[in-house]
Amino acid sequence: GIQVEQSPPDLILQEGANSTLRCNFSDSVNNLQWFHQNPWGQLINLFYIPSGTKQNGRLSATTVATERYSLLYISSSQTTDSGVYFCAGQYGNNRLAFGKGNQVVVIP
Amino acid sequence: NAGVTQTPKFRVLKTGQSMTLLCAQDMNHEYMYWYRQDPGMGLRLIHYSVGEGTTAKGEVPDGYNVSRLKKQNFLLGLESAAPSQTSVYFCASSYDGRASYNEQFFGPGTRLTVL
Repeated sequence: GIQVEQSPPDLILQEGANSTLRCNFSDSVNNLQWFHQNPWGQLINLFYIPSGTKQNGRLSATTVATERYSLLYISSSQTTDSGVYFCAGQYGNNRLAFGKGNQVVVIP
Repeated sequence: NAGVTQTPKFRVLKTGQSMTLLCAQDMNHEYMYWYRQDPGMGLRLIHYSVGEGTTAKGEVPDGYNVSRLKKQNFLLGLESAAPSQTSVYFCASSYDGRASYNEQFFGPGTRLTVL
């Protein structure tokens, strides 16, 4: 199956700082999703991004499908951005292969 | 719309007991999925369904069974629970594979502990 690697595994940010999370996948994927898992365990859809760049408020994502990676940018981080960020590559029958996540802690 | 809902939210079982987790979606999605999440890990696919009456194995299917008798419901069964099945279980759904937009949407999860 497809292997998904995320880096860095852990990140501590001062409130207001910017950061970049990276997701590499071992094989071509049909689509890519980014999720935020909040401290209560809920998975929030952030981006559905097979290629190109999308922005949603302080978050943006870029996927370069030909080079098999995606980036998630967090700008002007806030404490509510804390949690785990997952990327997942979509393959046959819309199945998702998840990475192990980026644990982000934003301190005031 | 409620989206994807899961029942129950929490459950504690003893080794050898059985139980069924229910997933329901009101988005008229064709495809449904069951994942498990263990500490420090991403989600792993257990079973999935590409339509009413169909099921297929995912990455970690052993010890689980599923049924999709109605399009809006996807049931996950544990026939004889084991401590290794202690996990958080997530259900998800999406449009079918032929659609141009196939984003998966997740339920809130079920936290299961097997003693």
